[in-house]
Amino acid sequence: QQPVQSPQAVILREGEDAVINCSSSKALYSVHWYRQKHGEAPVFLMILLKGGEQKGHEKISASFNEKKQQSSLYLTASQLSYSGTYFCGTGRPILTGGGNKLTFGTGTQLKVEL
Amino acid sequence: DVKVTQSSRYLVKRTGEKVFLECVQDMDHENMFWYRQDPGLGLRLIYFSYDVKMKEKGDIPEGYSVSREKKERFSLILESASTNQTSMYLCASSLRLAASTDTQYFGPGTRLTVL
Repeated sequence: QQPVQSPQAVILREGEDAVINCSSSKALYSVHWYRQKHGEAPVFLMILLKGGEQKGHEKISASFNEKKQQSSLYLTASQLSYSGTYFCGTGRPILTGGGNKLTFGTGTQLKVEL
Repeated sequence: DVKVTQSSRYLVKRTGEKVFLECVQDMDHENMFWYRQDPGLGLRLIYFSYDVKMKEKGDIPEGYSVSREKKERFSLILESASTNQTSMYLCASSLRLAASTDTQYFGPGTRLTVL
């Protein structure tokens, strides 16, 4: 079952903050965040692991709450370049070989305006 | 830099045709994946392969098959294309690190229209 992302869409003015949530009905092993700009391939942002870990990449960070089966992506002081669709993917180990099989959420469209 | 390429950006086919979508990666990755992307539904996994000639079904395999004869190449096959297979198809690959750190790299996608 696909994780549920909220909100579905958000519009920000440059410099504002945003939070995107990703909730799963199943136990989480890892959560993978991607950003896709219009007409382009999804690009990896970060992996969150079990243990409530928080990671950061410039002004984008994320947290993982294993108990709540939820991850949140935090965008601080947004820039025009942050515009795009953000996807979370819940990872499950590929038992036959290794690596992860990802189940993606339906995405959150983020638009940053001047 | 990892490069994942797909044979066509746009493809138009007729109902009933056999369709091949090709994906090539140049980083010696072990795992390869095919997804379809539809508005409001996100990316859904069709099939994946963890080794040459090895494959497993994803979440929506019906109407599709795959082939991996060489490590760098993974093909998605629509045996008899139907209009409900009109979609954006994305290929991805990963090195196959520990499950907690393995990252997928995506190709640019093929927009397939079935008339």
